[in-house]
Amino acid sequence: NAGVTQTPKFQVLKTGQSMTLQCAQDMNHNSMYWYRQDPGMGLRLIYYSASEGTTDKGEVPNGYNVSRLNKREFSLRLESAAPSQTSVYFCASSGQIDEKLFFGSGTQLSVL
Amino acid sequence: GENVEQHPSTLSVQEGDSAVIKCTYSDSASNYFPWYKQELGKRPQLIIDIRSNVGEKKDQRIAVTLNKTAKHFSLHITETQPEDSAVYFCAAILYNQGGKLIFGQGTELSVKP
Repeated sequence: NAGVTQTPKFQVLKTGQSMTLQCAQDMNHNSMYWYRQDPGMGLRLIYYSASEGTTDKGEVPNGYNVSRLNKREFSLRLESAAPSQTSVYFCASSGQIDEKLFFGSGTQLSVL
Repeated sequence: GENVEQHPSTLSVQEGDSAVIKCTYSDSASNYFPWYKQELGKRPQLIIDIRSNVGEKKDQRIAVTLNKTAKHFSLHITETQPEDSAVYFCAAILYNQGGKLIFGQGTELSVKP
């Protein structure tokens, strides 16, 4: 099993460009999450999807949108990238919200 | 606001000593408290978790204690080894915000040989 697959691994954008981060899991998990990690700030929740067909805002949703395409896939879109969105992004999934999170390998995003 | 606070932000210990990291949370309905370890350049991985129906849980050199009345929980690592050096994150589910798993700010643990 691949677990949680996240693409791309690295991305450089110019301010104002858009892009979509892809995430897929093959563990039949109900819940999926997008976190961003900045030095000294821990892992901050951007959006999450408790189950297929639902999405909800996390701690830092501004500037992002998400789509739970099906049970396997949960994408994160930056419509107009800003330097403040330079970060490492992690997708994660779990069977339920009170179960172990499985993380993807992360995406290192730089916005110039 | 509703959050998870973690202390200290950095911790340096000698090999063989114990390390303790503490977290507090604000939602009295929280009932699940995991701890994740993140080695440099890698993804976070679960090392231990505890639910609100128990006060302590152990797994070899790692233990977690929970005080629901005071709304805090702690990670204890005994007989630390250099390979324990990493960033550790606590987390809690905030049900009054729709059931979000929120992480603390992280503790960078350094174990010196």
